[in-house]
Amino acid sequence: DTAVSQTPKYLVTQMGNDKSIKCEQNLGHDTMYWYKQDSKKFLKIMFSYNNKELIINETVPNRFSPKSPDKAHLNLHINSLELGDSAVYFCASTSASGKTEAFFGQGTRLTVV
Amino acid sequence: GENVEQHPSTLSVQEGDSAVIKCTYSDSASNYFPWYKQELGKGPQLIIDIRSNVGEKKDQRIAVTLNKTAKHFSLHITETQPEDSAVYFCAATSGNTPLVFGKGTRLSVIA
Repeated sequence: DTAVSQTPKYLVTQMGNDKSIKCEQNLGHDTMYWYKQDSKKFLKIMFSYNNKELIINETVPNRFSPKSPDKAHLNLHINSLELGDSAVYFCASTSASGKTEAFFGQGTRLTVV
Repeated sequence: GENVEQHPSTLSVQEGDSAVIKCTYSDSASNYFPWYKQELGKGPQLIIDIRSNVGEKKDQRIAVTLNKTAKHFSLHITETQPEDSAVYFCAATSGNTPLVFGKGTRLSVIA
């Protein structure tokens, strides 16, 4: 069974569109994250949720809005997509302490054209 | 906040040789230091981790060392194999914040 699954794996869309990426974890973890990986492979934290509540929101444009319907799901909605949003987005989860292994999804490669 | 520096950015070694990747961190409160391996088209996967109450940890061909005083930690891979080729990331956290990653090292093992 996949521990952290995100869909879709690939997403190609035009500038100005709105899109969502879904993430689910079946590990019983309390904390979930969204990371953005740019073309240089740099992994940067975007959001952190603990038990459905937003804990950390790094400097991310308001066009990005995470939604956590329950602690096993953390979706990412992006409005008015821009060329610079093209990247690979990773969902991850960990136990509440944060000092144990973080499990990552397979990533969603978003290409804005 | 935490800042993690990782070197080198690329590393090529002959099969069978050792590879060493080094990281430094800035926040003295950080106490958990994992290493992740990312293969092409996949998400990062944990290969080894170390906590601040330990100076060294080994798992088969992989070892990690931690120097808390100098805020350094390193990954050592011995007897490298072509399947070790990937991007490796170090990270650090105090447990109260998300993992902060280094910028990655692209390791190429040449057969």
